[in-house]
Amino acid sequence: DTAVSQTPKYLVTQMGNDKSIKCEQNLGHDTMYWYKQDSKKFLKIMFSYNNKELIINETVPNRFSPKSPDKAHLNLHINSLELGDSAVYFCASSQARPNRGGDGTQYFGPGTRLLVL
Amino acid sequence: DAKTTQPNSMESNEEEPVHLPCNHSTISGTDYIHWYRQLPSQGPEYVIHGLTSNVNNRMASLAIAEDRKSSTLILHRATLRDAAVYYCILRGIQGAQKLVFGQGTRLTINP
Repeated sequence: DTAVSQTPKYLVTQMGNDKSIKCEQNLGHDTMYWYKQDSKKFLKIMFSYNNKELIINETVPNRFSPKSPDKAHLNLHINSLELGDSAVYFCASSQARPNRGGDGTQYFGPGTRLLVL
Repeated sequence: DAKTTQPNSMESNEEEPVHLPCNHSTISGTDYIHWYRQLPSQGPEYVIHGLTSNVNNRMASLAIAEDRKSSTLILHRATLRDAAVYYCILRGIQGAQKLVFGQGTRLTINP
């Protein structure tokens, strides 16, 4: 009964390849996020979707494309992988703010460790 | 998003209380103070949040200064499983819902 799950847990691939990471939440939340944690351990927001609509798009290369087929899923596709993409990618979900019935607390998945060789 | 300042690291002993400080002198009136922690090799985990009054839950207590320019996360009886990086984050009620993580405080618990 995992709340936020990600697949795969580990991903090792060659430079130039295209790969996808999947995220699913069973909390009934309406907002999902992708964060990136680099080798220096800094966590940064990449994208956020609310009810399948993109609401946050930080300065992220066009090679990264999120897709939300429904409220419970948010996938991240990465084209032409580069060495600098090696990081841990965390998915999170939340219910929207107090004026929409939620308190905004974010629940994180276990992370996908991506290594680009 | 307003910034927070935390010590890079702290150390404590098992079964003793731990007080983790956070300064947020530019906090606005509608900013909530959130605390998350990240255990080794895991995703961040919500700990507690508050606006003006002190808050308690099963994990911790949050003490907020009267002027709201600082707050303290209190772990009443630290265990080895509390060793983690603790993040103090300000979140407003307007605008995007992203969490802006700083470097956090790495808490080491000695047996």
